[in-house]
This record gives sequence, structure tokens and C-alpha cells, in this order.
Amino acid sequence: DIQMTQSPSTLSASVGDRVTITCRASQSISSWLAWYQQKPGDAPKLLIYKASSLESGVPSRFSGSGSGTEFTLTISSLQPDDFATYYCQQYNSSPWTFGQGTKVEIK
Amino acid sequence: EVQLVESGGGLVQPGGSLRLSCAASGFTFSSSWMSWVRQAPGKGLEWVANIKEDGSQKFYLDSVKGRFTISRDNAKNSLYLQMNSLRAEDTAVYYCARDKRQQLGSIDVWGQGTTVTVSS
Repeated sequence: DIQMTQSPSTLSASVGDRVTITCRASQSISSWLAWYQQKPGDAPKLLIYKASSLESGVPSRFSGSGSGTEFTLTISSLQPDDFATYYCQQYNSSPWTFGQGTKVEIK
Repeated sequence: EVQLVESGGGLVQPGGSLRLSCAASGFTFSSSWMSWVRQAPGKGLEWVANIKEDGSQKFYLDSVKGRFTISRDNAKNSLYLQMNSLRAEDTAVYYCARDKRQQLGSIDVWGQGTTVTVSS
């Protein structure tokens, strides 16, 4: 199985900050990577697919990049609604696997 | 409105069985791969199983193979997960989910989740 490792596990930031989360795959997954946002008690929400494609309705402050084994999710200017946990997921080969999550907290 | 609504969760003893259901609406269910994803209390997300549009292909997480069965009824716009020989480690919120078209594996629609607790 492909292992996905996110860093950091927790991130403290302020409104307006630029935030970057990294996700590494244990083997190449080309660009078959998605990013999700999850708030407490809610289902996850798709933000980015195919590493860098923005899902419809998602604010443009979210962006994704990378290919192969290293990927990043960037929030250009953190907004109050963005405090949440973020997960990466590979869908290059089954079983699809998720990273352990990165919690973005208020500084 | 695109919607997935799960039901069937509850408390079950180790070794017991449970059948989860998911009612889909607002999209062409028969044209969508569907998945189940779970989240143990305080933990991350774990993909469990998925099924092709016509039900002809099914894939499972190794730890549930032989115990869980995913199925669908396109006439009823419904997805199911039959869970047998349940273990404590199966305790989780189970999400019904739609795979994004042409991006099989990424999930663009999620249900609200149903909670399964395996405990004596």
C-alpha cells in the first residue's frame, strides 16, 4: 500500500497568513492526489483534485502543486473559515490512502 | 441538490453484523462509482470499499475483505455495506461517498456519516 505522510501535523497561524502543508507519498503517484478540508463534526470537503485542479466552488486562495512523491497545499491568505483539518489522499493505486491530517489552528 | 444520506449505524457486539444503507439523490446514481470511507474516533480517514457504476467491479481494504460486502441497487438509487464479523477496530463513522467522474478515487460528494460502535 502507498503511505501518505503529511507535515506538519499541527500548524498555528493567524488570519491573513500564507499557509503551506506538505504531503509525501511512499512511491510515485503521478498527479493522482486530492486534498480535503474537514471541520469538527462535518464530512470532508474536496478542495483540490489531480494535484492542482481546484474543485468547483472552492475559493481561489486554495492551490495545490506537485507531482510524483511530493505535493503541497497552499492557502494564500488564511481566513477564519479555514481553521480545520486538511487531508491529502492518493488515488493512483488501490487501496486509496490518506495522510494522517494537518490541523490548522488559530495562533 | 446532490445528496447522500446514510442509515443503519448503531451499537453491535463483537462478531455481530450490521448493514449500512445510503440513499442518493440529485444526480445520476447509476453513472457513478461509489465508495465507503470510515473515520475512527479522533482519527483520520480510511477508504473501505468501492463499487463500479453497474456493480460489476468491487474493491476492498485488506482488513475488511471477506467480512464486508459493498453492493448497490441502481433502481433504488441506493448503496449498501454489509458488515459481518465486526471487530472493535471497525468502530467509526462510515461515510457514503461519490467518486468524482474521470477522477476515480477522489471523492466529490460525501454523506453526513453514520456511526458504528462495536463493543460488548
